[in-house]
Amino acid sequence: AQSVAQPEDQVNVAEGNPLTVKCTYSVSGNPYLFWYVQYPNRGLQFLLKYITGDNLVKGSYGFEAEFNKSQTSFHLKKPSALVSDSALYFCAVREGSGGYNKLIFGAGTRLAVHP
Amino acid sequence: DTAVSQTPKYLVTQMGNDKSIKCEQNLGHDTMYWYKQDSKKFLKIMFSYNNKELIINETVPNRFSPKSPDKAHLNLHINSLELGDSAVYFCASSSRGTGLGLNEQFFGPGTRLTVL
Repeated sequence: AQSVAQPEDQVNVAEGNPLTVKCTYSVSGNPYLFWYVQYPNRGLQFLLKYITGDNLVKGSYGFEAEFNKSQTSFHLKKPSALVSDSALYFCAVREGSGGYNKLIFGAGTRLAVHP
Repeated sequence: DTAVSQTPKYLVTQMGNDKSIKCEQNLGHDTMYWYKQDSKKFLKIMFSYNNKELIINETVPNRFSPKSPDKAHLNLHINSLELGDSAVYFCASSSRGTGLGLNEQFFGPGTRLTVL
């Protein structure tokens, strides 16, 4: 079975500093990886995905993620954090194929950006 | 022009009652999902429908019954509600795109269910 792990419950960063939210994966076959963000009392919003191709994936709101096959990681990054980036971030991996697929989510990492 | 909408947003009810949550998407997607997010924010898929056909049914009590009258709607009916059913329920939708099922899922705003 596919799985992802987010080793940090919370990440604290000062506004303007770079941020990293970590994710490692365990899959059989090719990994199809996603990052979502959840703002308070809201649904999840898609940030970016890795399917194939370049290891550096660019997404919404200035976020990017680096796929590292040797380390089985897919860390989310942003060069300069904003207070408005404070939210709950989920890494996910697709399990299944075709229309018979589902997302397996990590436990989430709360990002707190301080002014 | 909300993409994925759910009603109600909040639902407070007594144990033993039966309740329904409705979901509608106007994105033209052919696949819809129900997820449950518990108090620790852990998200887990419950069901998935593709073109009105149930294709994923996780280990969910049979008190939970999804119904998809058409591709744009996926409702969730819960019988005999229990305290442990308290959670936020999210509906989502996606399209198969190239057929690899690699398109992202779009989520609704969630329904917070509280069972007293």
